[in-house]
Amino acid sequence: NAGVTQTPKFRILKIGQSMTLQCAQDMNHNYMYWYRQDPGMGLKLIYYSVGAGITDKGEVPNGYNVSRSTTEDFPLRLELAAPSQTSVYFCASDSEVRGTEAFFGQGTRLTVV
Amino acid sequence: GEDVEQSLFLSVREGDSSVINCTYTDSSSTYLYWYKQEPGAGLQLLTYIFSNMDMKQDQRLTVLLNKKDKHLSLRIADTQTGDSAIYFCAENPTGSSASKIIFGSGTRLSIRP
Repeated sequence: NAGVTQTPKFRILKIGQSMTLQCAQDMNHNYMYWYRQDPGMGLKLIYYSVGAGITDKGEVPNGYNVSRSTTEDFPLRLELAAPSQTSVYFCASDSEVRGTEAFFGQGTRLTVV
Repeated sequence: GEDVEQSLFLSVREGDSSVINCTYTDSSSTYLYWYKQEPGAGLQLLTYIFSNMDMKQDQRLTVLLNKKDKHLSLRIADTQTGDSAIYFCAENPTGSSASKIIFGSGTRLSIRP
């Protein structure tokens, strides 16, 4: 099925470890986003991209990095994981700049211990 | 600063109408959105309304916008068990990039028999 695919679904990291959360979409969308969702809260934007080769910081970028070498893929890198990064991470893509055609992945639940 | 407020919980009897309310702060918001999040899943964009509209209807969903009071509501007619989810309201203060979307904390809708 077409859509946004995130891997892994779950992960436990130790403090100081690194990992990459993968996100891929097959809808040829230019716009892609990484959000985190903390318990009982709405989504906060970490990073976004308006096309291959272009990325920009969102509201909460510290401790994360992204790349967008292709239209399809938008991986999120965590370096030196901290307990504050325990969260559920969602990737989204959109064909429209205003967020009116957005598709979300299933999420990655990350725990840092 | 911008903020989006929603009540945390709503309980409705099956077959009744559900009304989920939201207030936002930025009077310049040109797009307002409703998303649905089922347990363990990503967000699904349900609908959105442009600020020059007062109402938008899509099958069982009706969105009402009161710009004077900065109040947005989502009405679900004939609520079914499959409507159980968390519903997020969001505003786009700039009306341009979805990177500026601000999410509320979500309203958890539960359905009683």
